[in-house]
Amino acid sequence: GAVVSQHPSWVICKSGTSVKIECRSLDFQATTMFWYRQFPKQSLMLMATSNEGSKATYEQGVEKDKFLINHASLTLSTLTVTSAHPEDSSFYICSAITTGGLYFGEGSWLTVV
Amino acid sequence: ELKVEQNPLFLSMQEGKNYTIYCNYSTTSDRLYWYRQDPGKSLESLFVLLSNGAVKQEGRLMASLDTKARLSTLHITAAVHDLSATYFCAVDIVGSNYKLTFGKGTLLTVNP
Repeated sequence: GAVVSQHPSWVICKSGTSVKIECRSLDFQATTMFWYRQFPKQSLMLMATSNEGSKATYEQGVEKDKFLINHASLTLSTLTVTSAHPEDSSFYICSAITTGGLYFGEGSWLTVV
Repeated sequence: ELKVEQNPLFLSMQEGKNYTIYCNYSTTSDRLYWYRQDPGKSLESLFVLLSNGAVKQEGRLMASLDTKARLSTLHITAAVHDLSATYFCAVDIVGSNYKLTFGKGTLLTVNP
């Protein structure tokens, strides 16, 4: 099946700093990717839809100025958490659409200290 | 707004027993997904159900879909410890192009 890779797998950053998470489609081109957030022992919540070459579409309640999404190429979308705070600590998962369906990345653990 | 409800949220069962997890959703959907998630890991795709009456089986797991009732079930047969995980159902609205809404998940613990 198609492979979606995220980097880093885990990251620790200091409060107030920014951190970038990458989502790559390794063997296919993806015009659309999705970013989800999952807090411990909770379900996945869609944050935004990332569209190649255009602005991301954010879900209600998600701050677009805090969670910057860039989808500059057909194989890469990035999520930047700006001015991170401990409450942003979470598991971030991306997914990408191919002709064969939907595939999820391995996820990225973010801990803000 | 699409709502997806799973039950039970917690399920503790003994090895060898059968059980069913239920997933109800509130509006017409294109696709119904079942995923497995192990602690600290991402999602593993189990089944994608596309049409009314669809039934898919893989090993001890069988999923079915009733679009008229807006209900999907994940049936576990003769559970084994390795099935212990969290199971999520997810639905995407007609025309939303794979934008998924997830249920809260069912934490399954299979005890020896």
